[in-house]
Amino acid sequence: EDKVVQSPLSLVVHEGDTVTLNCSYEVTNFRSLLWYKQEKKAPTFLFMLTSSGIEKKSGRLSSILDKKELSSILNITATQTGDSAIYLCAVPFGNEKLTFGTGTRLTIIP
Amino acid sequence: EAGVAQSPRYKIIEKRQSVAFWCNPISGHATLYWYQQILGQGPKLLIQFQNNGVVDDSQLPKDRFSAERLKGVDSTLKIQPAKLEDSAVYLCASNNNWGNEQFFGPGTRLTVL
Repeated sequence: EDKVVQSPLSLVVHEGDTVTLNCSYEVTNFRSLLWYKQEKKAPTFLFMLTSSGIEKKSGRLSSILDKKELSSILNITATQTGDSAIYLCAVPFGNEKLTFGTGTRLTIIP
Repeated sequence: EAGVAQSPRYKIIEKRQSVAFWCNPISGHATLYWYQQILGQGPKLLIQFQNNGVVDDSQLPKDRFSAERLKGVDSTLKIQPAKLEDSAVYLCASNNNWGNEQFFGPGTRLTVL
């Protein structure tokens, strides 16, 4: 069964810390993995990783895909209170149907 | 470029009542998705449209949920009759090609009492 699992479910750190969020997946024909940030309601797109693009970086955020381990990590360095959000990992199955993990709730304490 | 628009933003109804949500995708986006996100869970796809045709509705509870995208642009999602477990945020998303990232609207928070 195709599925996406994220860990930890929640994480509380102090401002300035570095965090690593994990996502593992099981899919028959892997094409891509997407990371989203959800603050209030709408998830906003962060990164898309594919076989030809296994590492992405934007400012303090970076993500790596490990196709061998069927997983991805999302790193955030020098965390700020504005990074507090739910981080969602998603993988397309079948007709590009995105299956999301349950998300990691990240809380940054000032 | 305008984003995905949804309305209403909030809706409170009693069980067994009916409710409808509206979504207008980003201009030019052929694919439109409706997701249900229950508190503490990731979004779950309910239905996917490609233009005005249904691509995937395997997780849509068809006994009470319906959706349409008659002209291939905006879409409505209806629940009739609503149950307590339908309380969730209903997200609409769109993209312009398979394989690309999906852009989400602000969502509608539904509370069923």
